[in-house]
Amino acid sequence: DSGVTQTPKHLITATGQRVTLRCSPRSGDLSVYWYQQSLDQGLQFLIQYYNGEERAKGNILERFSAQQFPDLHSELNLSSLELGDSALYFCASSERTEYNEQFFGPGTRLTVL
Amino acid sequence: QQQVKQSPQSLIVQKGGISIINCAYENTAFDYFPWYQQFPGKGPALLIAIRPDVSEKKEGRFTISFNKSAKQFSLHIMDSQPGDSATYFCAASRGSTLGRLYFGRGTQLTVWP
Repeated sequence: DSGVTQTPKHLITATGQRVTLRCSPRSGDLSVYWYQQSLDQGLQFLIQYYNGEERAKGNILERFSAQQFPDLHSELNLSSLELGDSALYFCASSERTEYNEQFFGPGTRLTVL
Repeated sequence: QQQVKQSPQSLIVQKGGISIINCAYENTAFDYFPWYQQFPGKGPALLIAIRPDVSEKKEGRFTISFNKSAKQFSLHIMDSQPGDSATYFCAASRGSTLGRLYFGRGTQLTVWP
């Protein structure tokens, strides 16, 4: 158990809908990362937050957004969902350490029908 | 463009054998190279990591070999066990702290008893 929690575990929704994925980082970790894992793209970085502020963006679609709250939990919002958005979404957290050890949560499996 | 290239895509090893997975990168700014292990239905788990100031790091049966001049690094699993059967990902990041991870495409390892 990495100490990172994600909810829900599974999400099934229809095209055009909007969903919110939630992540709670390990106790003491200020940085949260979101990654998408799909068969064709592998593990892809989406976005990073550090202590409530956006720090880096990857190949995140404009339909996707995220935020980190004062209690350090983070939410990833996916809107106008398409079939191709079906994937595993992982959250990872790290503290401000020299070696950037990132610890991953169990993921949310999103299925868009 | 894949920043980290991983091979082989799949690997079958007999119990007690040595499993070797290779990765290569182009960006010389990368300075942190972790390996993750992922079981079906689980999030990636940090296995072992190395920085470019050392050429080898060993933790139990797992060893990372790092060749800075060739821009390559590899994971060796000694005395491979059926419980090691999983997907292994190499990754890299730049900047000593808070850097996003660039992942290889993964190697599916199967260890036959």
